[in-house]
Amino acid sequence: GIQVEQSPPDLILQEGANSTLRCNFSDSVNNLQWFHQNPWGQLINLFYIPSGTKQNGRLSATTVATERYSLLYISSSQTTDSGVYFCAVPFLYNTDKLIFGTGTRLQVFP
Amino acid sequence: DTGVSQNPRHKITKRGQNVTFRCDPISEHNRLYWYRQTLGQGPEFLTYFQNEAQLEKSRLLSDRFSAERPKGSFSTLEIQRTEQGDSAMYLCASSKDTSNQPQHFGDGTRLSIL
Repeated sequence: GIQVEQSPPDLILQEGANSTLRCNFSDSVNNLQWFHQNPWGQLINLFYIPSGTKQNGRLSATTVATERYSLLYISSSQTTDSGVYFCAVPFLYNTDKLIFGTGTRLQVFP
Repeated sequence: DTGVSQNPRHKITKRGQNVTFRCDPISEHNRLYWYRQTLGQGPEFLTYFQNEAQLEKSRLLSDRFSAERPKGSFSTLEIQRTEQGDSAMYLCASSKDTSNQPQHFGDGTRLSIL
Protein backbone atom coordinates (compact mmCIF):
# COMPACT_ATOMS: atom_id res chain seq x y z
CA GLY A 1 0.00 0.00 0.00
CA ILE A 2 0.86 3.62 -0.38
CA GLN A 3 3.00 5.49 2.15
CA VAL A 4 2.21 9.07 3.16
CA GLU A 5 4.61 11.37 4.96
CA GLN A 6 4.09 14.93 6.09
CA SER A 7 6.54 17.63 7.05
CA PRO A 8 7.32 19.35 9.25
CA PRO A 9 5.92 17.28 12.14
CA ASP A 10 5.59 20.38 14.31
CA LEU A 11 5.34 24.06 13.52
CA ILE A 12 5.15 27.02 15.88
CA LEU A 13 4.18 30.40 14.46
CA GLN A 14 3.33 33.85 15.63
CA GLU A 15 0.01 35.23 14.49
CA GLY A 16 0.29 36.80 11.05
CA ALA A 17 3.06 34.54 9.77
CA ASN A 18 2.81 32.39 6.65
CA SER A 19 3.57 28.67 6.44
CA THR A 20 3.83 25.79 3.99
CA LEU A 21 2.98 22.20 4.90
CA ARG A 22 4.08 19.32 2.70
CA CYS A 23 2.61 15.90 1.97
CA ASN A 24 4.65 13.28 0.08
CA PHE A 25 3.12 10.04 -1.16
CA SER A 26 4.82 6.99 -2.56
CA ASP A 27 2.52 6.07 -5.46
CA SER A 28 0.09 7.53 -7.99
CA VAL A 29 -3.12 8.93 -6.58
CA ASN A 30 -6.39 10.14 -8.05
CA ASN A 31 -7.71 11.53 -4.80
CA LEU A 32 -6.10 13.66 -2.09
CA GLN A 33 -7.72 15.49 0.77
CA TRP A 34 -6.37 17.96 3.31
CA PHE A 35 -7.99 18.07 6.75
CA HIS A 36 -7.67 20.27 9.82
CA GLN A 37 -8.25 18.59 13.17
CA ASN A 38 -8.98 21.28 15.71
CA PRO A 39 -8.10 21.04 19.42
CA TRP A 40 -11.59 19.58 20.10
CA GLY A 41 -10.89 16.67 17.75
CA GLN A 42 -13.17 17.73 14.91
CA LEU A 43 -11.81 16.73 11.50
CA ILE A 44 -12.66 19.44 9.02
CA ASN A 45 -12.38 19.14 5.25
CA LEU A 46 -10.12 21.81 3.80
CA PHE A 47 -9.51 20.70 0.24
CA TYR A 48 -10.26 17.85 -2.12
CA ILE A 49 -7.36 18.28 -4.56
CA PRO A 50 -6.13 15.31 -6.62
CA SER A 51 -4.25 17.74 -8.88
CA GLY A 52 -3.82 21.45 -9.55
CA THR A 53 -4.31 24.41 -7.22
CA LYS A 54 -7.26 25.57 -5.16
CA GLN A 55 -7.73 28.53 -2.87
CA ASN A 56 -10.16 29.16 -0.02
CA GLY A 57 -9.60 32.43 1.79
CA ARG A 58 -6.22 32.42 3.53
CA LEU A 59 -5.62 28.79 2.63
CA SER A 60 -4.53 27.33 -0.67
CA ALA A 61 -3.33 23.93 -1.79
CA THR A 62 -1.36 22.58 -4.72
CA THR A 63 -0.98 18.95 -5.74
CA VAL A 64 1.64 17.88 -8.28
CA ALA A 65 0.51 14.32 -8.86
CA THR A 66 3.32 13.47 -11.28
CA GLU A 67 5.89 14.34 -8.60
CA ARG A 68 3.85 12.78 -5.79
CA TYR A 69 3.49 15.68 -3.42
CA SER A 70 0.98 18.23 -2.23
CA LEU A 71 1.47 21.55 -0.44
CA LEU A 72 -0.87 23.42 1.89
CA TYR A 73 -0.24 27.14 2.28
CA ILE A 74 -1.53 29.10 5.23
CA SER A 75 -1.18 32.86 4.99
CA SER A 76 -1.60 35.43 7.77
CA SER A 77 -2.05 32.67 10.34
CA GLN A 78 -4.50 33.08 13.21
CA THR A 79 -4.72 31.35 16.57
CA THR A 80 -7.77 29.48 15.31
CA ASP A 81 -5.53 27.78 12.73
CA SER A 82 -3.93 25.78 15.55
CA GLY A 83 -4.39 22.04 15.45
CA VAL A 84 -3.17 19.11 13.40
CA TYR A 85 -3.21 19.11 9.60
CA PHE A 86 -3.54 15.79 7.81
CA CYS A 87 -3.36 14.84 4.18
CA ALA A 88 -5.05 11.61 3.10
CA VAL A 89 -4.90 9.53 -0.07
CA PRO A 90 -6.48 6.23 -1.16
CA PHE A 91 -4.71 3.09 0.05
CA LEU A 92 -4.79 1.76 -3.50
CA TYR A 93 -5.44 3.66 -6.73
CA ASN A 94 -9.13 4.16 -7.35
CA THR A 95 -10.29 2.81 -3.98
CA ASP A 96 -12.12 4.57 -1.17
CA LYS A 97 -10.05 3.47 1.83
CA LEU A 98 -8.08 6.55 2.91
CA ILE A 99 -4.59 6.44 4.36
CA PHE A 100 -3.74 9.44 6.49
CA GLY A 101 -0.34 11.02 6.71
CA THR A 102 1.61 11.48 9.90
CA GLY A 103 0.21 14.97 10.42
CA THR A 104 1.68 18.42 11.08
CA ARG A 105 0.91 19.92 14.47
CA LEU A 106 0.58 23.69 14.17
CA GLN A 107 0.56 26.08 17.09
CA VAL A 108 -0.14 29.75 16.45
CA PHE A 109 0.56 32.18 19.27
CA PRO A 110 -0.79 35.73 19.56
CA ASP B 1 -26.79 19.56 4.36
CA THR B 2 -26.74 18.79 8.08
CA GLY B 3 -23.38 17.02 8.09
CA VAL B 4 -22.41 13.63 9.48
CA SER B 5 -23.83 13.07 12.95
CA GLN B 6 -22.34 10.71 15.55
CA ASN B 7 -23.70 9.66 18.92
CA PRO B 8 -22.73 9.62 21.66
CA ARG B 9 -19.91 12.18 21.65
CA HIS B 10 -18.27 10.54 24.64
CA LYS B 11 -18.58 7.07 26.15
CA ILE B 12 -16.91 5.89 29.34
CA THR B 13 -17.29 2.25 30.23
CA LYS B 14 -15.66 -0.49 32.23
CA ARG B 15 -13.49 -3.11 30.62
CA GLY B 16 -15.50 -6.08 29.47
CA GLN B 17 -18.69 -4.15 28.70
CA ASN B 18 -20.25 -3.87 25.26
CA VAL B 19 -20.66 -0.48 23.58
CA THR B 20 -22.50 0.67 20.47
CA PHE B 21 -22.00 3.85 18.49
CA ARG B 22 -24.27 5.36 15.88
CA CYS B 23 -23.51 7.33 12.73
CA ASP B 24 -25.98 9.21 10.55
CA PRO B 25 -24.39 10.15 7.22
CA ILE B 26 -25.20 13.12 5.01
CA SER B 27 -28.58 12.25 3.52
CA GLU B 28 -27.65 11.85 -0.15
CA HIS B 29 -24.42 9.92 0.58
CA ASN B 30 -24.51 6.19 -0.13
CA ARG B 31 -21.02 5.41 1.12
CA LEU B 32 -20.24 5.30 4.83
CA TYR B 33 -16.86 4.72 6.49
CA TRP B 34 -15.62 4.00 10.00
CA TYR B 35 -12.14 5.03 11.17
CA ARG B 36 -10.37 4.82 14.52
CA GLN B 37 -7.92 7.38 15.84
CA THR B 38 -5.63 6.89 18.82
CA LEU B 39 -3.76 9.66 20.57
CA GLY B 40 -1.08 11.27 18.43
CA GLN B 41 -1.93 9.27 15.32
CA GLY B 42 -3.93 9.88 12.18
CA PRO B 43 -7.23 8.09 11.63
CA GLU B 44 -7.02 4.43 10.55
CA PHE B 45 -9.57 2.79 8.29
CA LEU B 46 -11.83 0.15 9.86
CA THR B 47 -14.60 -0.62 7.38
CA TYR B 48 -16.92 0.84 4.78
CA PHE B 49 -20.38 0.37 3.33
CA GLN B 50 -22.00 1.09 0.03
CA ASN B 51 -25.68 1.31 0.88
CA GLU B 52 -26.27 -1.68 3.20
CA ALA B 53 -23.39 -3.79 1.84
CA GLN B 54 -20.20 -3.94 3.88
CA LEU B 55 -17.53 -3.92 1.19
CA GLU B 56 -14.26 -3.96 3.09
CA LYS B 57 -13.01 -4.62 6.60
CA SER B 58 -9.58 -3.83 7.99
CA ARG B 59 -7.43 -6.32 9.88
CA LEU B 60 -7.85 -3.87 12.77
CA LEU B 61 -11.48 -4.96 13.02
CA SER B 62 -11.18 -7.97 15.31
CA ASP B 63 -14.06 -10.38 15.85
CA ARG B 64 -15.14 -8.27 18.83
CA PHE B 65 -16.06 -5.48 16.42
CA SER B 66 -19.14 -5.52 14.22
CA ALA B 67 -20.63 -2.85 12.02
CA GLU B 68 -24.03 -2.74 10.37
CA ARG B 69 -25.97 -0.49 8.08
CA PRO B 70 -29.29 -2.34 7.87
CA LYS B 71 -31.31 0.00 5.67
CA GLY B 72 -28.49 1.78 3.95
CA SER B 73 -28.98 4.91 6.04
CA PHE B 74 -27.49 5.11 9.56
CA SER B 75 -24.78 2.72 10.73
CA THR B 76 -23.84 1.22 14.09
CA LEU B 77 -20.46 0.07 15.31
CA GLU B 78 -20.50 -2.36 18.23
CA ILE B 79 -17.54 -3.41 20.33
CA GLN B 80 -18.04 -6.46 22.52
CA ARG B 81 -16.01 -7.26 25.65
CA THR B 82 -14.16 -3.96 25.50
CA GLU B 83 -10.45 -3.87 26.30
CA GLN B 84 -8.30 -0.94 27.37
CA GLY B 85 -6.68 -0.88 23.95
CA ASP B 86 -10.06 0.00 22.45
CA SER B 87 -9.83 3.48 23.96
CA ALA B 88 -9.79 5.81 20.96
CA MET B 89 -11.80 8.27 18.92
CA TYR B 90 -14.15 6.49 16.52
CA LEU B 91 -14.84 8.58 13.43
CA CYS B 92 -17.53 8.13 10.82
CA ALA B 93 -17.41 9.62 7.32
CA SER B 94 -19.66 9.57 4.29
CA SER B 95 -19.33 10.32 0.59
CA LYS B 96 -21.37 10.25 -2.60
CA ASP B 97 -21.77 7.04 -4.54
CA THR B 98 -19.21 7.66 -7.27
CA SER B 99 -15.48 7.19 -7.36
CA ASN B 100 -13.08 9.75 -6.00
CA GLN B 101 -15.45 11.81 -3.95
CA PRO B 102 -14.36 13.67 -0.82
CA GLN B 103 -15.18 12.04 2.49
CA HIS B 104 -16.91 14.20 5.10
CA PHE B 105 -16.30 13.35 8.74
CA GLY B 106 -18.47 13.53 11.83
CA ASP B 107 -17.26 14.86 15.17
CA GLY B 108 -16.47 11.35 16.40
CA THR B 109 -17.23 9.30 19.49
CA ARG B 110 -14.49 9.29 22.11
CA LEU B 111 -14.37 5.95 23.94
CA SER B 112 -12.60 5.62 27.29
CA ILE B 113 -12.21 2.21 28.90
CA LEU B 114 -11.69 2.21 32.66
